[in-house]
Amino acid sequence: GAVVSQHPSWVICKSGTSVKIECRSLDFQATTMFWYRQFPKQSLMLMATSNEGSKATYEQGVEKDKFLINHASLTLSTLTVTSAHPEDSSFYICSALQTGGANQPQHFGDGTRLSIL
Amino acid sequence: GEDVEQSLFLSVREGDSSVINCTYTDSSSTYLYWYKQEPGAGLQLLTYIFSNMDMKQDQRLTVLLNKKDKHLSLRIADTQTGDSAIYFCAERAVSGGGADGLTFGKGTHLIIQP
Repeated sequence: GAVVSQHPSWVICKSGTSVKIECRSLDFQATTMFWYRQFPKQSLMLMATSNEGSKATYEQGVEKDKFLINHASLTLSTLTVTSAHPEDSSFYICSALQTGGANQPQHFGDGTRLSIL
Repeated sequence: GEDVEQSLFLSVREGDSSVINCTYTDSSSTYLYWYKQEPGAGLQLLTYIFSNMDMKQDQRLTVLLNKKDKHLSLRIADTQTGDSAIYFCAERAVSGGGADGLTFGKGTHLIIQP
């Protein structure tokens, strides 16, 4: 149980393109999902907290107009990297927290490797 | 703010025990997690412990928590080649307002020697 699916797993696109990444909780409902970013050989950095039905909460230094988050249902959150540039190339990972499970661990997707040419 | 520190590399012989260490900054209530990441993959939750616990054991994995020193360790018994991965220590402070994101260490790369 507690499976989180992330799609796509790898995307390569030209500079200026907008890219949407989906994060789905497959066998549970998730009121809260999180988006992280990981640079090569580095740790995961929390970008934003996504709450179903409300605006996302962004960490300091993360541009909300650059990284658009939508959490329209209890099983899906999307991250859109708008007008992506090479410096946005990174590994993006989402996690989901089961509804009512604030004291439970977060379950992570397999990540999306984004490469901007 | 919260901070989590880990050593970057650990090399052990196959069959030996691996001990991965982590230090963290304290919060009034804290959950501490160990995740495993294989190359190009996402994070797999291995185990977690609440700050009112001292030890947790699950098959080959043993987590020890020293609250006084703010030190967490993960022991993997009988280390196998399949254990080769990066192990992340992560902390979550319970703010009382709901869910909080995790603060991760930089990860320890476990290298298994035959």
